[in-house]
Amino acid sequence: DAGVTQSPTHLIKTRGQQVTLRCSPKSGHDTVSWYQQALGQGPQFIFQYYEEEERQRGNFPDRFSGHQFPNYSSELNVNALLLGDSALYLCASSSARDGYTFGSGTRLTVV
Amino acid sequence: GESVGLHLPTLSVQEGDNSIINCAYSNSASDYFIWYKQESGKGPQFIIDIRSNMDKRQGQRVTVLLNKTVKHLSLQIAATQPGDSAVYFCAESDYKLSFGAGTTVTVRA
Repeated sequence: DAGVTQSPTHLIKTRGQQVTLRCSPKSGHDTVSWYQQALGQGPQFIFQYYEEEERQRGNFPDRFSGHQFPNYSSELNVNALLLGDSALYLCASSSARDGYTFGSGTRLTVV
Repeated sequence: GESVGLHLPTLSVQEGDNSIINCAYSNSASDYFIWYKQESGKGPQFIIDIRSNMDKRQGQRVTVLLNKTVKHLSLQIAATQPGDSAVYFCAESDYKLSFGAGTTVTVRA
């Protein structure tokens, strides 16, 4: 399967800690976007990476940062975790010729 | 705030019946919309899309209708099956996707 792969699938962190989530895009895709989905809500756009640069950013604080590597994979980092950061974090990859493909997400629980 | 929203948070439908899920948007300049299906434990999955130069588009068992006058779109699912049970989102697409809160569809046997 050449879909979007996210890791880990679940993790539990303590308030104040830092976390790194990872995403491998669908084969042929060069753009990676990250979304936060709180329970019972629609996904909210965090930011988008293209050519290893943050191209667009949603309304999220600087505690949320990311990176894209030369192989197009991406990381999402969240510092100083808050209880309210508990959510499903979704990665979506795309390209100029293809629409978005979502991964199954990472379920983050902050305690 | 959100630029798209759904009218009803839940919908219960008898297997074999048709389902209609509604969505309203606020930005009259929006020109591309996508419907997604999200099953438990999975990410959103593309169902069908429509651009603002169209008012109807059909796929396999699904139809999307766009009414630009009232800024409303709907997803119709024909002959609803148990596998259609999921949360459905409409999303406006520009440089990012802007999702509404979703409608949970439950199919009764």
